[in-house]
Amino acid sequence: DTGVSQDPRHKITKRGQNVTFRCDPISEHNRLYWYRQTLGQGPEFLTYFQNEAQLEKSRLLSDRFSAERPKGSFSTLEIQRTEQGDSAMYLCASRLAGGTETQYFGPGTRLLVL
Amino acid sequence: GNSVTQMEGPVTLSEEAFLTINCTYTATGYPSLFWYVQYPGEGLQLLLKATKADDKGSNKGFEATYRKETTSFHLEKGSVQVSDSAVYFCALRMPQGGSEKLVFGKGMKLTVNP
Repeated sequence: DTGVSQDPRHKITKRGQNVTFRCDPISEHNRLYWYRQTLGQGPEFLTYFQNEAQLEKSRLLSDRFSAERPKGSFSTLEIQRTEQGDSAMYLCASRLAGGTETQYFGPGTRLLVL
Repeated sequence: GNSVTQMEGPVTLSEEAFLTINCTYTATGYPSLFWYVQYPGEGLQLLLKATKADDKGSNKGFEATYRKETTSFHLEKGSVQVSDSAVYFCALRMPQGGSEKLVFGKGMKLTVNP
């Protein structure tokens, strides 16, 4: 069990650029989650997948955000036309459906939009 | 909507002091309740959980009891250590209706001095 991994750990970009983050869940975890955490706040849910199907999306996930999990393993989160308000830590978590309710979190990707 | 309210921090304690972090929730239904901890430079980790009223979660000397009558899940530890310095998040999930999202409080930063 190597844990949830995320790449990159840090990203600095200019306003208007597109960015993509990757999450590799714990092996055989079929549920994968994305959260966003801004400074001084708790994480906020963005979306989740069961296998390759995206089953729940938050209203926070504007049309500039898109998440995919094409083969039911790793997932990507893309932000198009980044804005300064997108600066945050983006967290990924995973769990095995039918197992414990516990969501296991990765270390996060910190995004700074200049 | 469903929400979690935590006591504001930051809090500084001396080693061996008693710790209480208050957490109350608002939910339409019967949530599962969690405490997550984030140590400096690390990802979120589950500390303990409770899934029904009067359940007590415990781990690493920390305890929290699910109190439906007061809609609370306060975290306690009898004697804190320097290694407990971290940010603590209370969270809920509504298993009814199949929602997977965790709803977090804002977090409370704890510093324990030797």
